[in-house]
Amino acid sequence: AQSVTQLDSHVSVSEGTPVLLRCNYSSSYSPSLFWYVQHPNKGLQLLLKYTSAATLVKGINGFEAEFKKSETSFHLTKPSAHMSDAAEYFCVVSVSSYKLIFGSGTRLLVRP
Amino acid sequence: DGGITQSPKYLFRKEGQNVTLSCEQNLNHDAMYWYRQDPGQGLRLIYYSQIVNDFQKGDIAEGYSVSREKKESFPLTVTSAQKNPTAFYLCASSTEPRVDGYTFGSGTRLTVV
Repeated sequence: AQSVTQLDSHVSVSEGTPVLLRCNYSSSYSPSLFWYVQHPNKGLQLLLKYTSAATLVKGINGFEAEFKKSETSFHLTKPSAHMSDAAEYFCVVSVSSYKLIFGSGTRLLVRP
Repeated sequence: DGGITQSPKYLFRKEGQNVTLSCEQNLNHDAMYWYRQDPGQGLRLIYYSQIVNDFQKGDIAEGYSVSREKKESFPLTVTSAQKNPTAFYLCASSTEPRVDGYTFGSGTRLTVV
């Protein structure tokens, strides 16, 4: 069965330092993977997606993620955190042609 | 601009009342979804619809009902049978989820008073 695990419920970084949000997945076939961001009381916005092309995927706002099949991971990174990056982030995996499942989320706190 | 519109943004319900949350999309997407979000629990699927006049239960359908009479619209009714309806409700749509993911609305926060 397909599943997705976000390894940290909260991550705290200082402004200007790197961001790492960790995600592991389980899938019986080559999955599609996504990262979404949610600001308070807002909908979810797509940051980036992996759909079996390049394993290093670049997204919006300077975020990127690397698909590592051997480690079943899809970690989200950003070289330098900005205050506006403070939000909740969701790692998502496709489980069928019409359905996605969501991780439990990682709340990113950015300290000034 | 194309997108998904959810209304209202905030909704208050009295005990024992049914309420309907609106979701309209102009993206020409075939599939539409309703999720419930509670603090610390991520997103849980309530109902989804792949085509007009057809829908399926998700993981937590009890106490909810939907209809899909038009491609653009997928309203969710929270019935009095839903014991704990206070939550943030998100509507999404997609044409090919494995390729494009979902597009989300801005959500409706429902509170029981």
